[in-house]
Amino acid sequence: QSALTQPASVSGSPGQSITISCTGTSSDVGSYNLVSWYQQHPGKAPKLMIYEVSKRPSGVSNRFSASKSGNTASLTISGLQADDEADYYCCSYAGSSTFVVFGGGTKLTVL
Amino acid sequence: EVQLVESGGGLVQPGRSLRLSCTASGFTFGDYPMSWVRQPPGKGLEWVGFIRSKPYGGTTEYAASVKGRFTISRDDSKSIAYLQMNSLKTEDTAVYYCTRDNGGSYSRYFDSWGQGTLVTVSS
Repeated sequence: QSALTQPASVSGSPGQSITISCTGTSSDVGSYNLVSWYQQHPGKAPKLMIYEVSKRPSGVSNRFSASKSGNTASLTISGLQADDEADYYCCSYAGSSTFVVFGGGTKLTVL
Repeated sequence: EVQLVESGGGLVQPGRSLRLSCTASGFTFGDYPMSWVRQPPGKGLEWVGFIRSKPYGGTTEYAASVKGRFTISRDDSKSIAYLQMNSLKTEDTAVYYCTRDNGGSYSRYFDSWGQGTLVTVSS
């Protein structure tokens, strides 16, 4: 069982928007603005999509946005494209004891 | 361009040891902490461990599942991070990724990833 809870799967049609939630606790997501999101295509290494809750690395499309409220972080992908079909993982710093926790991952299907 | 290349994976029997290497290029290796993340076949990502840069003491942090069995080290002169894995268990079977961490004394996020190396623990 992962420390952060994500839905196992979400789906949407091209052009639509979807949101993936990531629920943690007051010891991780709720305490630190250090939530990051990673995209992983099959057989590939993960890729950083969002860092520090809502910042986009250079080169990541502005169709990807994210936010946090309390113990829950969210990733929104707008204008869905076929290439967005992948697994998405959230991650958070969790303090000096646990240190880092990942979500279980969400499989995004573009219909 | 940042590049991370893992090596050293393979098939190993339970209880034995294996050392993974991560050779970095394209950035000043000694300025960054490094993390290892693993992914069992068909499953999600799991953080394994973290090593601070020398300015932050070069100390390490580990996931509870590997603490006492795995050791991370670094050789800044060669731009290599290592993951020494002892007393391996079948549940350690995974693709192991080396990542560049953008933190300092703590992990902030993993901004670059290697291609991964598969470790299979089986008799």
